[in-house]
Amino acid sequence: GAGVSQSPRYKVAKRGQDVALRCDPISGHVSLFWYQQALGQGPEFLTYFQNEAQLDKSGLPSDRFFAERPEGSVSTLKIQRTQQEDSAVYLCASSLATSYNEQFFGPGTRLTVL
Amino acid sequence: AQTVTQSQPEMSVQEAETVTLSCTYDTSESDYYLFWYKQPPSRQMILVIRQEAYKQQNATENRFSVNFQKAAKSFSLKISDSQLGDAAMYFCAYRSANGGNKLVFGAGTILRVKS
Repeated sequence: GAGVSQSPRYKVAKRGQDVALRCDPISGHVSLFWYQQALGQGPEFLTYFQNEAQLDKSGLPSDRFFAERPEGSVSTLKIQRTQQEDSAVYLCASSLATSYNEQFFGPGTRLTVL
Repeated sequence: AQTVTQSQPEMSVQEAETVTLSCTYDTSESDYYLFWYKQPPSRQMILVIRQEAYKQQNATENRFSVNFQKAAKSFSLKISDSQLGDAAMYFCAYRSANGGNKLVFGAGTILRVKS
């Protein structure tokens, strides 16, 4: 069965450009999470969806970050006017509904802002 | 807010030997889950083992086991009979059982396995 997929795997952007990162969760997974992982660090939570509802966006670092999941499946993380400090790996994870359930991670998108 | 601390940035183990990775956490909650995740150089995070806080028995998964000390807020991972394929970054993570679904990760420990 297919796991969580993310695209693109690598993205290079010039400072000030907008980027969009895509996540395809495992089919049937209600919950979807975005994390940001700086080089050599642990992932940090950005935002969480249950179906199409964004229930927690407390980790988004600024209003330049925006995430959506309009049909409760695919999700897009958009970063406007990228800055060098946005350079990181962006991980997507999905799970079944309850907090007991394992989060399955995608391979991540490595964003480099020049 | 919950925090997770991994005090060992890097560990080494000889193939076939045993190694223990340390993790401590801070929380005021009584009901939660703890996890160890493995992240090989290819970057995809894989769940190694999970512990429910209400369970006194330590979780085991084949060569992987934990030492969960709830009062001390300690959650170490023991890898027995280490294999070359165990080489990776290991993350300890916390997840509340009370509505919050996000994982809170430690900074990670790089495990090197020597042949």
